[in-house]
Amino acid sequence: AQKITQTQPGMFVQEKEAVTLDCTYDTSDQSYGLFWYKQPSSGEMIFLIYQGSYDEQNATEGRYSLNFQKARKSANLVISASQLGDSAMYFCAMMVGTSYGKLTFGQGTILTVHP
Amino acid sequence: KAGVTQTPRYLIKTRGQQVTLSCSPISGHRSVSWYQQTPGQGLQFLFEYFSETQRNKGNFPGRFSGRQFSNSRSEMNVSTLELGDSALYLCASSPGLGGQETQYFGPGTRLLVL
Repeated sequence: AQKITQTQPGMFVQEKEAVTLDCTYDTSDQSYGLFWYKQPSSGEMIFLIYQGSYDEQNATEGRYSLNFQKARKSANLVISASQLGDSAMYFCAMMVGTSYGKLTFGQGTILTVHP
Repeated sequence: KAGVTQTPRYLIKTRGQQVTLSCSPISGHRSVSWYQQTPGQGLQFLFEYFSETQRNKGNFPGRFSGRQFSNSRSEMNVSTLELGDSALYLCASSPGLGGQETQYFGPGTRLLVL
């Protein structure tokens, strides 16, 4: 079975500062993908960034980067230069190679950006 | 390119009724997955369809069912609604080419069961 753990129910950050959202995962599969999604209050899930288990470089997408530490089974999201619009719920998710179309999600972290 | 669309966006039903939700994937995407989101249980996988076939299923009772049409549009049906079925139902689409593909989500359908 797969499991995603997000230990930070809520995080606060000052505008223009960087913030790290924690995510640890557990799986016995060697092939898996890790994803981060943002969910504003409107409810829609917005894809942010992806990291494959065989990728040696940490993924980056604009202000988002994924700090992938395979030995520690962690996949933390780093948001640089936070903006007020970044205030939302953030979910870490995993898909293993043998599981068609199934994302396993963590409980999420609510991020609040202060001006 | 248009995103994933879901209809209706909001729905109010009473216990014992049934409901059908619809999802139109991104053009060219052949895989559609459904999720239920509740405050207590979080996001849970319901099932996934590809080329009109269910390939994967989560741990939900048989009251939850789905199907996919030849144009990749998908519907999910919940029969004999219970209060606990109140949730945000999200569908997501991906190309369906294999591997750990990124899923793109629709805006969701908020179902309230009274």
